Amino acid sequence: AQSVTQLDSHVSVSEGTPVLLRCNYSSSYSPSLFWYVQHPNKGLQLLLKYTSAATLVKGINGFEAEFKKSETSFHLTKPSAHMSDAAEYFCVVTTYNNNDMRFGAGTRLTVKP
Amino acid sequence: DAGITQSPRHKVTETGTPVTLRCHQTENHRYMYWYRQDPGHGLRLIHYSYGVKDTDKGEVSDGYSVSRSKTEDFLLTLESATSSQTSVYFCAISESDGRAGEQFFGPGTRLTVL
Repeated sequence: AQSVTQLDSHVSVSEGTPVLLRCNYSSSYSPSLFWYVQHPNKGLQLLLKYTSAATLVKGINGFEAEFKKSETSFHLTKPSAHMSDAAEYFCVVTTYNNNDMRFGAGTRLTVKP
Repeated sequence: DAGITQSPRHKVTETGTPVTLRCHQTENHRYMYWYRQDPGHGLRLIHYSYGVKDTDKGEVSDGYSVSRSKTEDFLLTLESATSSQTSVYFCAISESDGRAGEQFFGPGTRLTVL
């Protein structure tokens, strides 16, 4: 079975500084990996996904993530945080022909003015 | 936004009563999912459907049943609600399976079991 560990439950940054949200995964097979964002009292929205193509994946709103198989990591980054980035972020893993998507516990991002 | 609605959006019920949550989509997507979201756990899959009348269990299926008689509707039933089922429930849909398929999420249903 696959699993995901988000290494920080809460990250706080100042507006305009870089964002790093860390995710490690475990999977017996080649994984597909996703980052979703959830704004307060909203559903989840896909930021980006990795499905065995390019290891550096670009998503919406300036976010990107790099798949590193040797480190079993899929960290999410953004060069410059914006106030509107404040939300909860979920790293998700699944495998080939598998509808059982496993979510991490989430990282709450706070952006200070 | 993907055409997904959930009803009701909020519900308070008592222990031992049956509860049914409805997910309705207008996208004609094949796959539909029910998740629950609890603090410290992220989202956990309860059941999913890969077609009309085709369903399977997820990670936390005990105490829940589902039905899908039409492409557009996926029902989640708590036969006898317990306080441990107090949670926020999300429905999701996808056009293809988990490996490549982006899931689109509904707005959620907040269920409180007293």
